[in-house]
Amino acid sequence: AQSVAQPEDQVNVAEGNPLTVKCTYSVSGNPYLFWYVQYPNRGLQFLLKYITGDNLVKGSYGFEAEFNKSQTSFHLKKPSALVSDSALYFCAVRDWAGGGNKLTFGTGTQLKVEL
Amino acid sequence: SQTIHQWPATLVQPVGSPLSLECTVEGTSNPNLYWYRQAAGRGLQLLFYSVGIGQISSEVPQNLSASRPQDRQFILSSKKLLLSDSGFYLCAWSPESYEQYFGPGTRLTVT
Repeated sequence: AQSVAQPEDQVNVAEGNPLTVKCTYSVSGNPYLFWYVQYPNRGLQFLLKYITGDNLVKGSYGFEAEFNKSQTSFHLKKPSALVSDSALYFCAVRDWAGGGNKLTFGTGTQLKVEL
Repeated sequence: SQTIHQWPATLVQPVGSPLSLECTVEGTSNPNLYWYRQAAGRGLQLLFYSVGIGQISSEVPQNLSASRPQDRQFILSSKKLLLSDSGFYLCAWSPESYEQYFGPGTRLTVT
């Protein structure tokens, strides 16, 4: 079965500093990986995906993610954090079992950016 | 462009009452559709998904059911709500490119 792990429940960063939200994956075959962001009482917003190609993927709002096959990781990064980036972040992997284009989500990481 | 709608935004229902949550998608045809529940603001649990009209797959046996009466309409129902059905319900749709796009959600409180 496909799975992703987000080892940190919460990440605290000062505004202007770089941020990293970690994600590791476990899949059989080639991984299709995704990052989403959720603000309080809102739906998830798609940030970026890795399907194939360049290991550095650029997404919305200045976020990027680096696919590392040897470390089975797909960490989300941003060079300079903003207070408005404070939200809940989810990593996800495509689940091939049973068809239907399903995603398996991690447990989420709460990002808090402080002044 | 595509848009996904969910209603109502919030709902408070007594235990034992019925439930109907609706999700519609605009600007696309034959999307894959999904219902998720999010408890305690964290983990997402996939409840149902649909690859076409009348085609529903259930991921977790429970008190809920889903239907897809039209191509871009997905309904989540219950005949009798339980306290444990409280949560944040999210509908999503997916094009061929694998990512899913989520609606604004419905906050359900069962009292």
